[in-house]
Amino acid sequence: DTGVSQDPRHKITKRGQNVTFRCDPISEHNRLYWYRQTLGQGPEFLTYFQNEAQLEKSRLLSDRFSAERPKGSFSTLEIQRTEQGDSAMYLCASTDMNTEAFFGQGTRLTVV
Amino acid sequence: GDSVTQMEGPVTLSEEAFLTINCTYTATGYPSLFWYVQYPGEGLQLLLKATKADDKGSNKGFEATYRKETTSFHLEKGSVQVSDSAVYFCALSDNYGQNFVFGPGTRLSVLP
Repeated sequence: DTGVSQDPRHKITKRGQNVTFRCDPISEHNRLYWYRQTLGQGPEFLTYFQNEAQLEKSRLLSDRFSAERPKGSFSTLEIQRTEQGDSAMYLCASTDMNTEAFFGQGTRLTVV
Repeated sequence: GDSVTQMEGPVTLSEEAFLTINCTYTATGYPSLFWYVQYPGEGLQLLLKATKADDKGSNKGFEATYRKETTSFHLEKGSVQVSDSAVYFCALSDNYGQNFVFGPGTRLSVLP
């Protein structure tokens, strides 16, 4: 297992377009998290899955954002009608019960 | 809600100097505490952790002790190297491991 992987690493999109990011967690981890990180800030929690169930969503996650983890394995994060304020690094992390979170390299989104 | 506060950076030190980065937290229950490090262009990596009061986490010459009475988890290293230049994030997870909350990060620059 090579750890948490995210795809793509970089995405440039025009304002108003939809984008989708993928995260493949460590295979035996049942918890998966999405975070957003802007320059000079720490990661901000977006949402969290335990297996396929989405258990918590931050108020940062507007109705333009949706996340899925259909089979309790990989997850996707979709942003509809992107805005310039969505430009950030989107981080995925996975963990087993009560262990540290393992992070992927992130997807850097630039909305132009 | 739970929160983490870190000393503001950037912190600039000469090689072999002593490092302290302060971290305090607010949480209900008994969180686990973590220090993560982010090197330029890379994802977050766990540096060390402590899961209960008075535990000391250590790794690569870095140490931090979980102080419940002062709600602190200060990061220390006796002699920093240029290769330690990075952003350091203090974090906690609640006692159910459902969420990880990060501080804003402290940028460390070590000069030769």
